[in-house]
Amino acid sequence: SQTIHQWPATLVQPVGSPLSLECTVEGTSNPNLYWYRQAAGRGLQLLFYSVGIGQISSEVPQNLSASRPQDRQFILSSKKLLLSDSGFYLCAWSVRGTQLGNTIYFGEGSWLTVV
Amino acid sequence: QQPVQSPQAVILREGEDAVINCSSSKALYSVHWYRQKHGEAPVFLMILLKGGEQKGHEKISASFNEKKQQSSLYLTASQLSYSGTYFCGTDQAYSGAGSYQLTFGKGTKLSVIP
Repeated sequence: SQTIHQWPATLVQPVGSPLSLECTVEGTSNPNLYWYRQAAGRGLQLLFYSVGIGQISSEVPQNLSASRPQDRQFILSSKKLLLSDSGFYLCAWSVRGTQLGNTIYFGEGSWLTVV
Repeated sequence: QQPVQSPQAVILREGEDAVINCSSSKALYSVHWYRQKHGEAPVFLMILLKGGEQKGHEKISASFNEKKQQSSLYLTASQLSYSGTYFCGTDQAYSGAGSYQLTFGKGTKLSVIP
């Protein structure tokens, strides 16, 4: 069965510090990969998605970036965090090429507090 | 195009029923329902693909209308464990046709009280 792991689970970072969140998927190959952000009490905002190694699509212009160095690894980064970057970050995956709809499966999430 | 969910919030007593709606102005390829408990990641509940489809998951079921523009999630005889925020996610094509993402509604917060 497929599993998705992301880490760290929680982190508190000062403004202006860098960020790296990592996510890996097991039990599947060639997945679509996603990074979402959810502000407190708010909906799901798609930040980036990737359909293959090195292929990144950005949905929201910001000081965040994403990379996919391996097929099942997705990394979210920032060089300098802003207070507004605080939130719940979710990595997710879906099966590529299926006709069954783009069901998205989420990782456990990472709570980021920028102070 | 973001689907519209209603209501935004609902409070139920244990044993009561609720309906959550998800609507789009355009025909959809599929509708996905998720539940998110406080402080946790959203969990996939079910997917509906066909117009007129109905699907169940324990005491939680859903329907997709014939025009594929509206889906409803039905929670019957609600339990405390049903509390959370329910999201619908929609797509207008499958990934093989170049659609790679779901568009999520803003969510419906469901609170079940004793």
